[in-house]
Amino acid sequence: AQSVTQPDIHITVSEGASLELRCNYSYGATPYLFWYVQSPGQGLQLLLKYFSGDTLVQGIKGFEAEFKRSQSSFNLRKPSVHWSDAAEYFCATKAEYGNKLVFGAGTILRVKS
Amino acid sequence: DAGVIQSPRHEVTEMGQEVTLRCKPISGHDYLFWYRQTMMRGLELLIYFNNNVPIDDSGMPEDRFSAKMPNASFSTLKIQPSEPRDSAVYFCASSLEGLAVRGTDTQYFGPGTRLTVL
Repeated sequence: AQSVTQPDIHITVSEGASLELRCNYSYGATPYLFWYVQSPGQGLQLLLKYFSGDTLVQGIKGFEAEFKRSQSSFNLRKPSVHWSDAAEYFCATKAEYGNKLVFGAGTILRVKS
Repeated sequence: DAGVIQSPRHEVTEMGQEVTLRCKPISGHDYLFWYRQTMMRGLELLIYFNNNVPIDDSGMPEDRFSAKMPNASFSTLKIQPSEPRDSAVYFCASSLEGLAVRGTDTQYFGPGTRLTVL
């Protein structure tokens, strides 16, 4: 069964610094991959998604992610973090069968001024 | 569009009581999903519907949990009787076509219901 690993539970970065959140997936074929963000007290909002084509995907709020098949990774990046980016970030993949999303455990991002 | 609407936003109840969570999906979306989020287990899918029909309820933890979708614009998740271990945030999400149809179909999440069972 598919699984998603987010190795970092918490990450703290300074405002204006660059950010990279790690995500590794387990699946044989080309996966469908997603990054969601959850602000405190809010639901999940889709940042970006990948299914084929260009391995560098642009999303909302200045985020991008790169699919690397050789590393089974789909890391999320942002060149300059803003205080409003503080939230929890979830990587997800489509399950092999059906309409399920399989989520990673999430990474909590703290932004210090 | 108002997005996915959930009510109540917060629910505090005592063990043994019945709890009903409500969801209104985005108009025109054929799929509706119920998720539960806890610190221990993260985000897990409980059940999902396609055109008001339950398709996969393998994530429903036990018989105390039931979900219905009487029409395209309304779904409920009921817990009876509730237990303290049911305390969690419950999310409803909807999507247009479903991932099995179009792998990149987006699931839109509601704000969640934070349930506390004392």
